[in-house]
Amino acid sequence: EVQLVQSGAEVKKPGESLRISCKGSGYSFINYWIAWVRQMPGKGLEWMGIIYPGDSDTRYSPSFQGQVTISADKSISTAYLQWSSLKASDTAMYYCARQDPAGLYYFDYWGQGTLVTVSS
Amino acid sequence: QTVVTQEPSFSVSPGGTVTLTCALSSGSVSTSYYPSWYQQTPGQAPRTLIYSTNTRSSGVPDRFSGSILGNKAALTITGAQADDESDYYCELYMGSGIWVFGGGTKLTVL
Repeated sequence: EVQLVQSGAEVKKPGESLRISCKGSGYSFINYWIAWVRQMPGKGLEWMGIIYPGDSDTRYSPSFQGQVTISADKSISTAYLQWSSLKASDTAMYYCARQDPAGLYYFDYWGQGTLVTVSS
Repeated sequence: QTVVTQEPSFSVSPGGTVTLTCALSSGSVSTSYYPSWYQQTPGQAPRTLIYSTNTRSSGVPDRFSGSILGNKAALTITGAQADDESDYYCELYMGSGIWVFGGGTKLTVL
């Protein structure tokens, strides 16, 4: 069974750093792109970026380029989303999602989400 | 920057038919954008409904269908049920490994 299991909720202060994770199982992790999606409170989904764990090829939405870093450790089938200096506006639910294997450009499996709260 | 626009809200009667649309700020939506649709209920992760314009994801009832209508992608729900009350998001593939979501449509069934 394909699963994406995300790390737990985080409460941080502005200026702190943070890395959240998404662990894939039930499939060949290195062969599927993994995307990150932001959902701010009461708002819609925003596509942030995507990584191919096999070679760490990474693409970012222009809106998020330079704001976050996406990485992966293929040895433990885990993708990451990290911030070097959090802002209150980073408060959101973050989802990881797997791109389909057949090149049809959609996301077939989703993680359960990680809630990040940034508050002083 | 590309903007993908959906109706903010829509209402449908139980048993009725509703069509939600997905438009580009500049240009027409075509199959080349591989439009997909996701359903999200409060507190849950998104669920994939439709991909590649009109292919239903596994387990999705056939009352959900996707198409291109004019210059927009469309999601039609035929015979709406109470548990279809959700937020619906379209997503377009822009090329070069970049995707964009629409702003979402809140569907009320009443």
